[in-house]
Amino acid sequence: KAGVTQTPRYLIKTRGQQVTLSCSPISGHRSVSWYQQTPGQGLQFLFEYFSETQRNKGNFPGRFSGRQFSNSRSEMNVSTLELGDSALYLCASSLGDSSNEQYFGPGTRLTVT
Amino acid sequence: GQSLEQPSEVTAVEGAIVQINCTYQTSGFYGLSWYQQHDGGAPTFLSYNGLDGLEETGRFSSFLSRSDSYGYLLLQELQMKDSASYFCAVRDRGFKTIFGAGTRLFVKA
Repeated sequence: KAGVTQTPRYLIKTRGQQVTLSCSPISGHRSVSWYQQTPGQGLQFLFEYFSETQRNKGNFPGRFSGRQFSNSRSEMNVSTLELGDSALYLCASSLGDSSNEQYFGPGTRLTVT
Repeated sequence: GQSLEQPSEVTAVEGAIVQINCTYQTSGFYGLSWYQQHDGGAPTFLSYNGLDGLEETGRFSSFLSRSDSYGYLLLQELQMKDSASYFCAVRDRGFKTIFGAGTRLFVKA
């Protein structure tokens, strides 16, 4: 079974631009979570989607948004990029409603200049 | 607030046993998980404890005491490839997974 895939793997953007990251979960997994990982802050929860519904959102500004499609694929968008948004963005999928076992994709390394 | 505390670094010798502790304070609790992350890689799931007690998976074991809001990951017969960061994580009542800051494990020959 294929793992979680994320595209693109690397991205360089300029301040003020926007970016869209994509995540394809493991087949059959209905829950997708997004995390931001930086050396100083560790893994920070962004949001989780289950069956196209956002169930929770972390403490990030409204510039960060996401969505999930009917095939469980998910996208996250960051608008008006800031230098501090430079990070590794990880997506993780899990089977369903109460899964504590998450499978992570390789991440998208975003650099904002 | 919600927080998970774990040591920032642990060093051990190849072949030894090491224990990484995690204490948590969260709104609701739906289990403690452990993840391993090598430099440049993605976190990979190691183990999960939903109930008190010890769970064993090969060289790795994980323990949970809900009354103490405490758990640990035990790594036996350490190998050089075990050098990595280890994260504990708790899922709270809002389907949010909160990760600890991670413990960097250095395995020496």
